[in-house]
Amino acid sequence: AQSVTQLGSHVSVSEGALVLLRCNYSSSVPPYLFWYVQYPNQGLQLLLKYTSAATLVKGINGFEAEFKKSETSFHLTKPSAHMSDAAEYFCAVSDHGSGNTGKLIFGQGTTLQVKP
Amino acid sequence: NAGVTQTPKFRILKIGQSMTLQCTQDMNHNYMYWYRQDPGMGLKLIYYSVGAGITDKGEVPNGYNVSRSTTEDFPLRLELAAPSQTSVYFCASSIGETQYFGPGTRLLVL
Repeated sequence: AQSVTQLGSHVSVSEGALVLLRCNYSSSVPPYLFWYVQYPNQGLQLLLKYTSAATLVKGINGFEAEFKKSETSFHLTKPSAHMSDAAEYFCAVSDHGSGNTGKLIFGQGTTLQVKP
Repeated sequence: NAGVTQTPKFRILKIGQSMTLQCTQDMNHNYMYWYRQDPGMGLKLIYYSVGAGITDKGEVPNGYNVSRSTTEDFPLRLELAAPSQTSVYFCASSIGETQYFGPGTRLLVL
């Protein structure tokens, strides 16, 4: 069975500081991994995805994530936080190994607060 | 393209009432999904469909039903609303490994 754990339900950083949101996964097959962002009262928007190509993945809005198989991690980073980055972030793993249904298993989410 | 649209945006139901949450996508995606989002719990899969006429249960299907008569539409039915179904519901569609989400329906059952 696949699962995702996001460490820290709330992360607070100052504007201009490094953003680090942690995600660890469990998967019986080589995983497809995703980070989604949700702004208040909106749906989820894809930030970036890992699908077994390059281990360092660059996404939108200056975010990137590195797939580390040995640590079963897929942490999200951004060098310099902006006020507009305040949102909820979800890590997810895809159930692509079982009949390729594409089902996503989500972590519980991390709320990013950016202080001026 | 409108992408994935959901109606209504917000609804209040009384216990025992029924309603249908509508979801439509105009991207010709075969795969569609319904999730519910509860505070601090992430998103949980309710039902999914891999094409017209084919649906299957997800992680939390109890109290819900779905149908998929066309590629575009994937309505979610609540037959007897319960307070435990108070949540935000998201519909998504996908091609390949990327899912595209609608804006959500906020449901309050009192």
